[in-house]
Parts: sequence; structure tokens; C-alpha cells
Amino acid sequence: AQSVSQHNHHVILSEAASLELGCNYSYGGTVNLFWYVQYPGQHLQLLLKYFSGDPLVKGIKGFEAEFIKSKFSFNLRKPSVQWSDTAEYFCAVGDGTGFQKLVFGTGTRLLVSP
Amino acid sequence: NAGVTQTPKFQVLKTGQSMTLQCAQDMNHNSMYWYRQDPGMGLRLIYYSASEGTTDKGEVPNGYNVSRLNKREFSLRLESAAPSQTSVYFCASRDGFPGDYGYTFGSGTRLTVV
Repeated sequence: AQSVSQHNHHVILSEAASLELGCNYSYGGTVNLFWYVQYPGQHLQLLLKYFSGDPLVKGIKGFEAEFIKSKFSFNLRKPSVQWSDTAEYFCAVGDGTGFQKLVFGTGTRLLVSP
Repeated sequence: NAGVTQTPKFQVLKTGQSMTLQCAQDMNHNSMYWYRQDPGMGLRLIYYSASEGTTDKGEVPNGYNVSRLNKREFSLRLESAAPSQTSVYFCASRDGFPGDYGYTFGSGTRLTVV
């Protein structure tokens, strides 16, 4: 069975600091990888996704993620965070089948102080 | 606005009561999903429907039933609510076209069972 680990449960940064959130998955087959963001009181929104090609994926709002197959990792990065990035971030892995059931990590709560 | 609509947004139930959470999407998506979100546990899949007329169990189906009424609607029923079902419930859909595996989420239903 697939599983996803997000090692950082809570992260506190000052504005303009750089961000890297870790995500590791366990699944030996073809995977599709996702990062979702949930702003306070809102539903999940897709930040970026990877399913093939260039392992460096760029998403919305200046976020990017790098797929490293040998490390089973898909870490999320942003060079300079803003107060508006305060949210909870979820990594998810899909099994690449037509059903594409996603397995989510437990989430990382990011607080950016002004 | 196009998207996934969930009703109700909030609900309080007494132990043993039943209720149905409604979900409808207007994007002509084939697949629909029900997840529950609990603190520190991320999102866990309850049931999904790969296409109209089919439903399958996810990771945590016990205590729930679903109905894929038509292509647009996918409801989740709690027959006899228990305090352990206190959670935030999210419905999601996706169209499944090759190259697009992103979910669109609804705004959630916050359910409290007392």
C-alpha cells in the first residue's frame, strides 16, 4: 500500500525566508505526485502536480517541487515566503491508475510571520 | 461558479442519528471521492466512485454508505452516527483525462457527533 510521510508538522518562518517542506512516499510503481494547499477555513487547492517529464515542477504562487525518484521524495520549495502563504500543505501520491485514488500525508502547518 | 458543492456546511448530530451529506459537481467529471480530514491524520479516503454506477471502498469505509445518484451527484450516508465520526468531510471530483489528474475539492462539511 502507498504511504506518504511529511516530516515537518509545524513550520514557522519570517516573511522573505526560504521554504522547503519534505515529502517522502513509499510506492514502487508509477506514481503521480501532488502538493495541495489549504488556507484557513477553505478547501484544498492544487499547488502543483507531477506525473512525468521534467522532475522540477513549477506551480502557482511561486511554488516549485522536485521529484527525486531515487530518494522517493517530492519536496516543496519557495524562495521567499509571504504572510499570505500561511496555510496547511499536503503532499499526496496517486497510484497512476485510471481510478487515481490519492493518499495524503498528514500535512504541514506553515505560519509566516510578517 | 463551476465546481464541487457540498451541503450542509455544518451539522451537529446526536449519537445514533442518521444523515446524508450531499455532493454535486457541474464539471462533467467521471470520478468522485469522499474524504474525511482529522487533525494530525491528513485526509483519508472513505469511498470513491470511478464512474457513474460504480462505487468502491476506500481506506476507512466502516460506518458509511454512498450512492452515486447520477454523474453529478455522490452522497455519503451515516446510518448511525458515532462520536468517532466527528470530522470534516470533503467531496472531490476529477475528470480523468490523460494528463490531468488533479482533484477539485468542495468546501467541506464540518460534522460534530455528540
